[in-house]
Amino acid sequence: QVQLQESGPGLVKPSQTLSLTCTVSGGSISSRSYYWSWIRQPAGKGLEWIGRIYTSGSPNYNPSLKSRVTISVDTSKNQFSLSLTSVTAADTAVYYCAREELGRSCFDPWGQGTLVTVSS
Amino acid sequence: DIVMTQSPDSLAVSLGERATINCKSSQTVLYSSNNKNYLAWYQQKRGQPPKLLISWASTRESGVPDRFSGSGSATDFTLTISSLQAEDVATYYCQQYNSVPMTFGQGTRLEIK
Repeated sequence: QVQLQESGPGLVKPSQTLSLTCTVSGGSISSRSYYWSWIRQPAGKGLEWIGRIYTSGSPNYNPSLKSRVTISVDTSKNQFSLSLTSVTAADTAVYYCAREELGRSCFDPWGQGTLVTVSS
Repeated sequence: DIVMTQSPDSLAVSLGERATINCKSSQTVLYSSNNKNYLAWYQQKRGQPPKLLISWASTRESGVPDRFSGSGSATDFTLTISSLQAEDVATYYCQQYNSVPMTFGQGTRLEIK
């Protein structure tokens, strides 16, 4: 079965760039049946969809973050990545990667999540 | 963006009793061309990622116990747990996938009374 695992720094300084990678195992990220998404959750709060990418095609971003977000895919490594620029304390959250089925844009499965803290 | 509003924010139910969580969307998530509601429910236990329980408003995922059921259409939806078990303690989220950006409700925390 497909599994996803996030990786990246747990601490980022304000104004710098947050960079995370999601490694997909048990399935191909090149599958034409799925998008690959990033979702975040501040401590004790709800879920916010950040954006998604398809194996071929342009990514889609949440308009609330669009000016600061880039999502890319590396099919050779079966990974996709998130870059979020100019971070502030408001970007402190658990960041999840998840698979999204074409035509049924709910999220399954999810990675375990990685906590990113923005602090000097 | 479609705003999803859940009620209540928290709920305490006795073991074996029914739990009901509501979700309301600011716009319809019913797609008229296929008569499907683009609405999902998730369960998130402490320290874990969310788990997809139900899609299309009422279709249980494989392996989800049949005490979980979803109902509703257009803008008003309900997640029902028919007989609460101890392992059902969690926060539950609804999510619409009718339009981008996909959006979630604020969550309902379910506890044992």
